Amino acid sequence: DQQVKQNSPSLSVQEGRISILNCDYTNSMFDYFLWYKKYPAEGPTFLISISSIKDKNEDGRFTVFLNKSAKHLSLHIVPSQPGDSAVYFCAASAKMHGSSNTGKLIFGQGTTLQVKP
Amino acid sequence: KAGVTQTPRYLIKTRGQQVTLSCSPISGHRSVSWYQQTPGQGLQFLFEYFSETQRNKGNFPGRFSGRQFSNSRSEMNVSTLELGDSALYLCASSPPWGGGDTQYFGPGTRLTVL
Repeated sequence: DQQVKQNSPSLSVQEGRISILNCDYTNSMFDYFLWYKKYPAEGPTFLISISSIKDKNEDGRFTVFLNKSAKHLSLHIVPSQPGDSAVYFCAASAKMHGSSNTGKLIFGQGTTLQVKP
Repeated sequence: KAGVTQTPRYLIKTRGQQVTLSCSPISGHRSVSWYQQTPGQGLQFLFEYFSETQRNKGNFPGRFSGRQFSNSRSEMNVSTLELGDSALYLCASSPPWGGGDTQYFGPGTRLTVL
């Protein structure tokens, strides 16, 4: 049962254009969402997050949008740069007992982004 | 501030052996989570420790265990290794305040079981 899905295994965009990575989830208990960037044989690097009380969060070139009714989030990278080429994972977590989150992140399968010069 | 560190970075073991991996969280972080990454299953949650207590556990067999020390450093142990345990093992730490679960990952330990 895959609770977090990234349906596009790969995405290729031209340098300077917008990259849009998508993620869908099924568990309505998820209340915190994150995007990570990962290079082979390295740990994921945190990019940006969003709480379920918001629908948008922005940090520099990165913006995450959350559509709770559709259980969908997306990461926009503008403008895309060749150094952005990596695997991008979305992840989600759910509150436990109404307090701080559980320390458990559920990850999607990842989308490989290639930004061409 | 130093990031999450993991030792060793690479490890080769044979079936039936056991292995212990170590993780030092970011200074001040008290929560440590462990994940396994394989090509087929992706990133899967193993367990999470906070203040030396396991708070959450994923769907892995009992051969996978962990512990956390009073300085928040954590170890995970895999006993009776199987070929399928070959993976990148990642640990992540979280800040002590609430309001979310942003986890910061270490570089991982690449375990190969022969």
